[in-house]
Amino acid sequence: DARVTQTPRDKVTEMGQEVTMRCQPILGHNTVFWYRQTMMQGLELLAYFRNRAPLDDSGMPKDRFSAEMPDATLATLKIQPSEPRDSAVYFCASGAGQGRTDTQYFGPGTRLTVL
Amino acid sequence: AQTVTQSQPEMSVQEAETVTLSCTYDTSENNYYLFWYKQPPSRQMILVIRQEAYKQQNATENRFSVNFQKAAKSFSLKISDSQLGDTAMYFCAFIRVQGGSEKLVFGKGTKLTVNP
Repeated sequence: DARVTQTPRDKVTEMGQEVTMRCQPILGHNTVFWYRQTMMQGLELLAYFRNRAPLDDSGMPKDRFSAEMPDATLATLKIQPSEPRDSAVYFCASGAGQGRTDTQYFGPGTRLTVL
Repeated sequence: AQTVTQSQPEMSVQEAETVTLSCTYDTSENNYYLFWYKQPPSRQMILVIRQEAYKQQNATENRFSVNFQKAAKSFSLKISDSQLGDTAMYFCAFIRVQGGSEKLVFGKGTKLTVNP
């Protein structure tokens, strides 16, 4: 049963600390997305990659957020320094786009709480 | 810019009954995909059903079906024989079929409660 995995499932940290969230896309999927879910804004796209190359990170605060794909099986989203307003659920999703739009499959999310 | 509107923040239905969740969207695109995702209390986002805009036939997946009205830009989800496990947030989402952007645009969601 192929699925997207994310770690950690929950993270509580203090303001100013660095936070790293990890995602393992479905094997064979070449497109990886990071979304953020908050009560106020709903689900928003932060960034996405195809074949490990960043295609769109316009939804991401550049000064503190960074997203990378060190290899095809790992995507990371880092916040440094973290702030209370970053508290949200962060979802990773993957798709077998192969250069075309396709269905996105989501991981279980990381719930981040910044105190 | 594309927008997705779900006008029903909350709904409830009795077990075994049928319920319909509404979704409208705004786009100037002609070719796109529409999705319904389910988010139960476990937080996992689960794909329920997908519709390609170029297909006139409404998509169905077991107890789930859609009523896709392209001209009206409406995409409602019908759940038949509701089960307790259907209790969840339901999100309607849009994505355009075009190179260069694969952003899923989500509605705000409808909280569905299935009562025993």
